[in-house]
Amino acid sequence: SYVLTQPPSVSVAPGKTARITCGGNNIGSKSVHWYQQKPGQAPVVVIYYDSDRPSGIPERFSGSNSGNTATLTISRVEAGDEADYYCHVWDSSTDHRVVFGGGTKLTVL
Amino acid sequence: QVQLQESGPGLVKPSQTLSLTCTVSSGSISSGGYYWSWIRQHPGKGLEWIGYIYYSGSTYYNPSLKSLVTISVDTSKNQFSLRLSSVTAADTAVYYCARVYSDSDTDVFDIWGQGTMVTVSS
Repeated sequence: SYVLTQPPSVSVAPGKTARITCGGNNIGSKSVHWYQQKPGQAPVVVIYYDSDRPSGIPERFSGSNSGNTATLTISRVEAGDEADYYCHVWDSSTDHRVVFGGGTKLTVL
Repeated sequence: QVQLQESGPGLVKPSQTLSLTCTVSSGSISSGGYYWSWIRQHPGKGLEWIGYIYYSGSTYYNPSLKSLVTISVDTSKNQFSLRLSSVTAADTAVYYCARVYSDSDTDVFDIWGQGTMVTVSS
């Protein structure tokens, strides 16, 4: 089955830029979605179709996808961005269909 | 804005069947264009997709859970449900229901319920 690989943790100082990667074989050919999950809360989609932002998501959140790596970028990081982030793709080549990355804990120093 | 709410027992005995219902409000489950899904999250772990259903009844399941899972829909009540049989302690998790926007080459979990914790214990 298709595998998505994320770093377990990323740390960044307030005001700086955080980049969270999601690796997968030829992931650039797939649409990647990103979810933010704060402690005790349900996940919320922050980026879909690689780089689109749902309404209500700050412009500080952006995404890119090429080759074997998709990236979620958070600019001017704030304390409130501290959360777990998951990437997700749909894999039509197998019965598994829905694939999540293992998640990345973003810590704001 | 569509909202989803999970309901069901918070405690299930080993070997029994876990049953949860998701009620959809401020929108119709039959509106088309969306699947309706269950996802779970073991304590301190990542997200695991269980399966999803279309309002017509078409289902897709995680192959690793397929033999134990049934997802059904009741359009008259605007609800969909999860049944997971022969549960063990390994099924202890937070269970989320979610709406899935689906097109020809991808799907997006665009709206989630708040989640419900289910513990499997005697």
